[in-house]
Amino acid sequence: GEDVEQSLFLSVREGDSSVINCTYTDSSSTYLYWYKQEPGAGLQLLTYIFSNMDMKQDQRLTVLLNKKDKHLSLRIADTQTGDSAIYFCADKASGGSYIPTFGRGTSLIVHP
Amino acid sequence: DVKVTQSSRYLVKRTGEKVFLECVQDMDHENMFWYRQDPGLGLRLIYFSYDVKMKEKGDIPEGYSVSREKKERFSLILESASTNQTSMYLCASTQMTGGANEQYFGPGTRLTVT
Repeated sequence: GEDVEQSLFLSVREGDSSVINCTYTDSSSTYLYWYKQEPGAGLQLLTYIFSNMDMKQDQRLTVLLNKKDKHLSLRIADTQTGDSAIYFCADKASGGSYIPTFGRGTSLIVHP
Repeated sequence: DVKVTQSSRYLVKRTGEKVFLECVQDMDHENMFWYRQDPGLGLRLIYFSYDVKMKEKGDIPEGYSVSREKKERFSLILESASTNQTSMYLCASTQMTGGANEQYFGPGTRLTVT
């Protein structure tokens, strides 16, 4: 079945850039998502990219999609302590499915 | 402001008890989901529903059942709670339309079974 993989932890210094990586296996993925989960809360959509795009930028966030390698990344510029959270990569296949496949989540730790 | 609410943030139950977790959404979404979240395992889909009184098993339905009597409400039932069901439970909803179909999540219920 489909699989979405991401590393479990990332530690960065405040002010640096963070890059969270994700790989997926389903070549029919139409949308790819990044969700953020702050401590004690549910997930919230951070951004998404349609499969015919290779980059999307939204303020401090840059999403890069390499469809050939099935690789998705999320770059957070000027990382702040408030960015500390778990970041989930997810994809949605074509064919009318509305159920995304989630990765295991990357815990981003921002230290001063 | 769109909202998914869950009946409890924290719940402590004894082994063998029947447990009800309630989820309500105010966005008129057709699809609703129950996930459990465990450290290192991410989100695992328990059940989902695409319409009132309709339900489908997810990846880990064993030990759980669900009920959807009204469009806005989706309940998760643990018929006889066990310690391995100690977890964070997340409810989500989404529209049944084309497009990105963002999932909206509730704040979660942390269930401890002793």
